[in-house]
Amino acid sequence: NAGVTQTPKFQVLKTGQSMTLQCAQDMNHEYMSWYRQDPGMGLRLIHYSVGAGITDQGEVPNGYNVSRSTTEDFPLRLLSAAPSQTSVYFCASSPTSGGTYEQYFGPGTRLTVT
Amino acid sequence: KQEVTQIPAALSVPEGENLVLNCSFTDSAIYNLQWFRQDPGKGLTSLLLIQSSQREQTSGRLNASLDKSSGRSTLYIAASQPGDSATYLCAANDYKLSFGAGTTVTVRA
Repeated sequence: NAGVTQTPKFQVLKTGQSMTLQCAQDMNHEYMSWYRQDPGMGLRLIHYSVGAGITDQGEVPNGYNVSRSTTEDFPLRLLSAAPSQTSVYFCASSPTSGGTYEQYFGPGTRLTVT
Repeated sequence: KQEVTQIPAALSVPEGENLVLNCSFTDSAIYNLQWFRQDPGKGLTSLLLIQSSQREQTSGRLNASLDKSSGRSTLYIAASQPGDSATYLCAANDYKLSFGAGTTVTVRA
C-alpha cells in the first residue's frame, strides 16, 4: 500500500492563480480530509468528506473547494490564490467517519503564494 | 468548539532523561486522542491512539495516558535519545480532529 499520497510536494503560485492539490489513498477509506498547518499553530481543518459524493466544510473553508467523485481521490482546489494561503497542506484518511479509527496523513504540499 | 493546548511549547533535555509532554482539551466528549510526531519539513507520523474508553496506551518507550474527565492526556517518552528530537502533536477526535500547536523537543547528546 502506498497509503496517502499528495502531489505536488512544492508549489509556488502568483496571487490570483488557481491550482488543484491532489490527494489519493489506496486503503479504501471512507473518510478523507484536508488540513493546513501554519507556523505556531496546530493543523486546522479545511474540508472533509465522509464518502464519495459527500463533502462538508471544516474550520477554515474560505477560498477552497473540494469534490469527491471516487473513494480514492479528494482534490483541493484553490480558486484564486492569496498570500494568506501560503501554508503546508496535509491530506488525511480514516476507515470510517465514526471517529474511532486513527487517521493517516500524507507527506504534505508546501504552497507559497507571492 | 474543541480547544487543544500543549504545554510546554518547547523542551530541551539531556540524553537519557524521561520526557513528559502535556495535552489538554476543553470538550471531554471525544472518541479518541491521537499523538503524532513531526520532523522538520515532514509529514505527521502517528505514534499512539487512545480510545475514549482506555486510560493508557503503550508502544516501546512511549506511554500515553488519557483522563477524559479532566480533559488531559500525557505522553511519556522513557530514556530519551537524540533521535527523539521532533515536534510532538496531540489531536482530540470528536468526529473531527482538533490539534494542539505542538511541543518541540530537543534531546542533547
